[in-house]
Amino acid sequence: DARVTQTPRDKVTEMGQEVTMRCQPILGHNTVFWYRQTMMQGLELLAYFRNRAPLDDSGMPKDRFSAEMPDATLATLKIQPSEPRDSAVYFCASGFGNYEQFFGPGTRLTVL
Amino acid sequence: RKEVEQDPGPFNVPEGATVAFNCTYSNSASQSFFWYRQDCRKEPKLLMSVYSSGNEDGRFTAQLNRASQYISLLIRDSKLSDSATYLCVVNLGGGSYIPTFGRGTSLIVHP
Repeated sequence: DARVTQTPRDKVTEMGQEVTMRCQPILGHNTVFWYRQTMMQGLELLAYFRNRAPLDDSGMPKDRFSAEMPDATLATLKIQPSEPRDSAVYFCASGFGNYEQFFGPGTRLTVL
Repeated sequence: RKEVEQDPGPFNVPEGATVAFNCTYSNSASQSFFWYRQDCRKEPKLLMSVYSSGNEDGRFTAQLNRASQYISLLIRDSKLSDSATYLCVVNLGGGSYIPTFGRGTSLIVHP
């Protein structure tokens, strides 16, 4: 049963620290998405990749967030420096083309 | 106007009831549509795709109305386990593929 995996599942850190979240997409999928979900904003698209190339990151705060896909089996989302307002659940999802996405279990980030 | 809008609810219905949600979208160039279900503190999971001809899966029926730019989800014979948040997703097609999620509609099915 192929699944998207994300690590860590929970992260508590202090303001100013660097946070790196990792995602392993489903093998064979060519699109990868990063989302942030909060009660106030709902599910926001931060970035997405197709065939490892970044296609859109307009939803991502550029000054502190960065997203990369060093290879087809790994996507990373980094926050440096982290702030309390970054506290949220971060989801990675993968898919193929314009079809449905499959979500990972998420990383619950708390920045103190 | 938001790109994808949903009534947040909650819709509070008894077991066995039929309930319907709508989701409106603003971009007429949207080409693919989906319904996801999200349980509390869990990830969204695909419920069903929405085809131009409609789509039915057991108690669930999804329909697309391009003229009025909305999709709908109908749940018949509601179960307690249907309690969740239902998210609609609208994708632009072609090279500008960008998925946009609605804020979700909360459904509570009570005994």
